[in-house]
Amino acid sequence: NAGVMQNPRHLVRRRGQEARLRCSPMKGHSHVYWYRQLPEEGLKFMVYLQKENIIDESGMPKERFSAEFPKEGPSILRIQQVVRGDSAAYFCASSPRTGVSELFFGSGTQLSVL
Amino acid sequence: AQRVTQPEKLLSVFKGAPVELKCNYSYSGSPELFWYVQYSRQRLQLLLRHISRESIKGFTADLNKGETSFHLKKPFAQEEDSAMYYCALSDTGGFKTIFGAGTRLFVKA
Repeated sequence: NAGVMQNPRHLVRRRGQEARLRCSPMKGHSHVYWYRQLPEEGLKFMVYLQKENIIDESGMPKERFSAEFPKEGPSILRIQQVVRGDSAAYFCASSPRTGVSELFFGSGTQLSVL
Repeated sequence: AQRVTQPEKLLSVFKGAPVELKCNYSYSGSPELFWYVQYSRQRLQLLLRHISRESIKGFTADLNKGETSFHLKKPFAQEEDSAMYYCALSDTGGFKTIFGAGTRLFVKA
C-alpha cells in the first residue's frame, strides 16, 4: 500500500493563475480531508469529502477554493486566481470510514505564489 | 467552538530528562483526543489516541476532562524523539479533526 499520494510536491504559480492539487487516498479509503498549513501555524481544516460528496466544507474560503472527490480518480483541491496569501503547504489525509478517526496523511503540496 | 491550544512552540530538553508537551482543548461534547508526530522528512503520523490508553515509544497522555487537557509525557527523553508534535481533537463520529499549532521538541545530547 503506497499510502496517501499527493502531487505535485511543489507547485509554483503566478498571481491570478489556477492551482490544482491532487490527492489519491490509501487503497480502500473513501474519506478524504484537506488541510492547509501556514508558516508558524498548525494544520487548518478545510474540507471533508466522501466519494462524490462534500460532507463538511466549513474551513474552505468562500471564494476561489473548491474541492471534489469523483467516483473515479483522485480528489482535487482547486484554487482559482491565486494570490500570495494562498502560499502554504496543503495536506491531504484519508480514512477508511466514518467514525474511524485516525487520519493517514500525504506528504503535502507546497504552493508558492509569485 | 472547537479549539486545540498548544502553548509552547518550542520545547528543548536534555537527553534523559522528562518531557511534557501541553495541550488544552475546548469542545462541548465528548471528543476523541490524539497526538500526531512528524519526524524530519517524514509524514505526519498518529502517535497515540486517548481511548487506547497505551504507551507508544514511551509516551503517554491522559485525558483530564476537568482541566480539558491532554498533555503528552515521557519520563526520559531520547534524541530520536526530536520532532514536531501536534495535539488533535476529533468530534463525535469522527467527521472532523482539528489540530493545534504544534510544538517542536528538541532533545539535546
